Amino acid sequence: NAGVTQTPKFRVLKTGQSMTLLCAQDMNHEYMYWYRQDPGMGLRLIHYSVGEGTTAKGEVPDGYNVSRLKKQNFLLGLESAAPSQTSVYFCASSYYNQPQHFGDGTRLSIL
Amino acid sequence: AQTVTQSQPEMSVQEAETVTLSCTYDTSESDYYLFWYKQPPSRQMILVIRQEAYKQQNATENRFSVNFQKAAKSFSLKISDSQLGDAAMYFCAYRSESLGTALIFGKGTTLSVSS
Repeated sequence: NAGVTQTPKFRVLKTGQSMTLLCAQDMNHEYMYWYRQDPGMGLRLIHYSVGEGTTAKGEVPDGYNVSRLKKQNFLLGLESAAPSQTSVYFCASSYYNQPQHFGDGTRLSIL
Repeated sequence: AQTVTQSQPEMSVQEAETVTLSCTYDTSESDYYLFWYKQPPSRQMILVIRQEAYKQQNATENRFSVNFQKAAKSFSLKISDSQLGDAAMYFCAYRSESLGTALIFGKGTTLSVSS
């Protein structure tokens, strides 16, 4: 039972490049989330999904897009990466009334 | 919008001693959940304890307990008999129904434990 798996674990991009972060969960959770963690800022919600085919904006959605085509996967896309998007990205999933399970994070650096 | 405030960026404690981490929050909801998460240097997010607002009794998990004051919107974490392995960043979090039950986090408190 892998839980929540994030791919990749590390990535370095140049400004303007695009990439997709993949989050996969094997717990049949309905709810999935993307957060970013910056020094001194705690974790902030980027986007979330309450079910397959649905997505919604969180606290800091600008510059990101998401898709939830399959229940087990939640993709986070950066269309044109900017240095301000250098961060550690966490994915999480849960049932409605249960605590969230977090992935191990993706460290993304944008030069 | 809900907010979570952790006013102590850093705290320190000696082994076997007790330490309390503070957290306050703001919400207009009457029923909600609050959490404390631990993040060691490995970067994992580990659930320490959770509290349901409608429950009067403070939650306890082994050496970890909370002091939940609903009227004051305060949710502090007490760590008893501190151990070297308790050294980590601790985040207080509020579960937001308006954001699909996503968590709103405080900025964190770095706890160091000395022998």
